[in-house]
Amino acid sequence: NAGVTQTPKFQVLKTGQSMTLQCAQDMNHEYMSWYRQDPGMGLRLIHYSVGAGITDQGEVPNGYNVSRSTTEDFPLRLLSAAPSQTSVYFCASSSGTGSYNEQFFGPGTRLTVL
Amino acid sequence: AQSVTQPDIHITVSEGASLELRCNYSYGATPYLFWYVQSPGQGLQLLLKYFSGDTLVQGIKGFEAEFKRSQSSFNLRKPSVHWSDAAEYFCAVGAGATNKLIFGTGTLLAVQP
Repeated sequence: NAGVTQTPKFQVLKTGQSMTLQCAQDMNHEYMSWYRQDPGMGLRLIHYSVGAGITDQGEVPNGYNVSRSTTEDFPLRLLSAAPSQTSVYFCASSSGTGSYNEQFFGPGTRLTVL
Repeated sequence: AQSVTQPDIHITVSEGASLELRCNYSYGATPYLFWYVQSPGQGLQLLLKYFSGDTLVQGIKGFEAEFKRSQSSFNLRKPSVHWSDAAEYFCAVGAGATNKLIFGTGTLLAVQP
């Protein structure tokens, strides 16, 4: 049982490049989400999904796209990277919907945009 | 709007000393409250959570937290800190019917030998 996995661990991009951050979970969780972590700002929600085929925006969605074709995977796409997207990105999952559910976090992807 | 405030950005304690990390929240209804810990280079791990009932909740690694509705607080405590407790600690509130979490800005804990 691997839990929540994220790839890659580190990535350096040039401004304007595109890439996809991968997230997968093997716990059959319905809910998945992406957060970004910036110094002094805690974690902020980018996008989330309550199940396959259903996604919605979080607090800071601009510049990011998501899709959820399977229960297990929830990739985050940067279509045209900008230096402001330099951050650490965390994927999380939880069973069921409802704020009382524990969220399980992946190890993170550290992204630098030059 | 929901929000979480962690007033202390950085705290240093001596090993063996007691610890209290402060957390204040703003939420209209009964909150779901969480404390997470992040060790260097790692993801977040749940320490404890409060939903209802007993206002003093016990968590892993010897941590506890007390929910005080009158003060809108959910402070984290540990009676005796170990060097391995050095990490960043995040307080969070569950926002509404979805699983959204609103995080505080974190408190970085350093432990002196």
